[in-house]
Amino acid sequence: DAKTTQPNSMESNEEEPVHLPCNHSTISGTDYIHWYRQLPSQGPEYVIHGLTSNVNNRMASLAIAEDRKSSTLILHRATLRDAAVYYCILRDGEGKLIFGQGTTLQVKP
Amino acid sequence: GAGVSQSPSNKVTEKGKDVELRCDPISGHTALYWYRQSLGQGLEFLIYFQGNSAPDKSGLPSDRFSAERTGGSVSTLTIQRTQQEDSAVYLCASSFRHGQAVAFFGQGTRLTVV
Repeated sequence: DAKTTQPNSMESNEEEPVHLPCNHSTISGTDYIHWYRQLPSQGPEYVIHGLTSNVNNRMASLAIAEDRKSSTLILHRATLRDAAVYYCILRDGEGKLIFGQGTTLQVKP
Repeated sequence: GAGVSQSPSNKVTEKGKDVELRCDPISGHTALYWYRQSLGQGLEFLIYFQGNSAPDKSGLPSDRFSAERTGGSVSTLTIQRTQQEDSAVYLCASSFRHGQAVAFFGQGTRLTVV
């Protein structure tokens, strides 16, 4: 399974943008880049995904490097409710989901 | 229901007893996953069902753990002769089968072995 590397933790101030990085240097051409997050005491929830082009949705933006070996999840204005563990995952055509340790995001008021 | 449903939400069992955890995936989803999350830890992959293919059991920690998926829908995770280290939240997820499919998670079953 292709592997991802993320910082263990990050901090942000409320209402400021947050950029969460992910390295995936062994990504293959058919791997999709997915981001999930897990709020305290809840199951993980989908945030965003992409293949090659940058993506935007109501929750976040995903910026994908041109060589696809890294990506960045962007929360445009962090709120206290965004405090969670964020997971960057590569999914191939078989669809198996393997989670790494993720990045724990703390948001300060 | 609209989402992934897991039951029971909480289970307390005595060491040495067998337990069964149930997962009802979203209707039509061909892929189903089981994970284990110990307190303060990440998600540990256990098993993956994909349509009629043989399940990927590579994450099952011991032969005390088994899972089945009947009729391509409901799945049951069985832990035999439970041990205290089996205490964790067991999460189930389902999705369509392809790389861009979104996976939806249940709220989990919190298992406590006393």
